This record gives sequence, C-alpha cells and structure tokens, in this order.
Amino acid sequence: GAVVSQHPSWVICKSGTSVKIECRSLDFQATTMFWYRQFPKQSLMLMATSNEGSKATYEQGVEKDKFLINHASLTLSTLTVTSAHPEDSSFYICSAAPLGPAIYEQYFGPGTRLTVT
Amino acid sequence: AQTVTQSQPEMSVQEAETVTLSCTYDTSESDYYLFWYKQPPSRQMILVIRQEAYKQQNATENRFSVNFQKAAKSFSLKISDSQLGDAAMYFCAYRSANFGNEKLTFGTGTRLTIIP
Repeated sequence: GAVVSQHPSWVICKSGTSVKIECRSLDFQATTMFWYRQFPKQSLMLMATSNEGSKATYEQGVEKDKFLINHASLTLSTLTVTSAHPEDSSFYICSAAPLGPAIYEQYFGPGTRLTVT
Repeated sequence: AQTVTQSQPEMSVQEAETVTLSCTYDTSESDYYLFWYKQPPSRQMILVIRQEAYKQQNATENRFSVNFQKAAKSFSLKISDSQLGDAAMYFCAYRSANFGNEKLTFGTGTRLTIIP
C-alpha cells in the first residue's frame, strides 16, 4: 500500500527557533501534498496545499511567512515553522495525493508532535 | 465553501453490536467524494470507506457501510459487529471532484467507544 512518512515524529524546540518537518511519499509519486494542524481533541485543519515545483497555497488565516512549505520533488514536502512560539505547539499531519487514476485518494503520514518551550 | 457537520461528539456501543455515526454536509457542487476516516490513539489517519457522489449505490467495506442520501446531503457510517479495535475518532470528510481542488474538508469528529 501507499506509505507516507514524516520526520521527526516528535520535536521539542525553544521559543524563537525554527523547526523543519519532512513529509515523504515512500512508494509513490505525489503531485500534491497537504499540511494539516490538529489541536488536542479537535479536527484536522488544513493549513496549505503544496504542488511540486510551485508555491504553496495557504488557507485563510495561515501565516505563510511563519509556516514555510517547500515541495521540491514528487516525493518530498517540508514544513518549516519559523520563529516558533508556544502557541505553535500542535500535531502536524501531512497527506499526499498520488499520480494516477485514483486521484481521489490521499494518504496520511503518522504526524509530528511539535512542542515549543 | 463546503462544510461538514458531525453532530455526535461521542458515541458508545457494546461489542458485537451495530452503531451508526452521522454526518451531514453542505455544498453547491454536484460531483464530489465523501470519506470516513478513523483516527485511533496512534493518531494515524486511516481511510475507512469512500463514496463517489455520482454513484447511487452505497459503499460497503466488510463491516463498514454507508447510507448516502445525496438530496438530503447526509452520509452516515454504519459499523456492524463492533470490535474493540474500532474504538477511535471518526471523521467525515468532503472532497470536490473538480481538478485542482483536492483538499479535504473534515467534520469535527465522533469519538467511538466500544464497551466490552
């Protein structure tokens, strides 16, 4: 089956520093990747949509200068949280939509827990 | 904009019994996809079942089936013969069929507890 990995699975950083989260599709190519944020006991909130080789499309209210998204290849997208603050602490999930006829499918990574101290 | 509503924050069911989770959505589009995802304590999102709006037949996957009522914009999930491993958060999600608009819109979720 289609597998999406995220690295790291858990990261703790100090306030004011930046942290990068990687999302990789391991056995398929993904034209589009999505980044979600999930607060405890809440639903997934889409932050942005990234397409390989082009700028990400951010959802309303998401600071693009704070959450930098790069989709450099068909198997890798990165989310960088710049100048992180405690309120950025959350669970970040990526998903990837594969090339091919099953374009309605999205495969989710296992998530990254970010704690900003 | 599309919205997805799950009106049951929590549900519980006896093991081996049947439970139905509700979902309604709002859209002006005629072609779209609907999904149920399961999120266990590991927080890994798992696709449970998918329904294409152009299909009248309700989707089924083993013990999981849906009741898709397009006119009513309703999409409920029935879990038969509930098992302990079914305990999780369940999210209903909507996706447009329009090319270039593949993002998912999620409901607020229903936490399902299985009573042994």
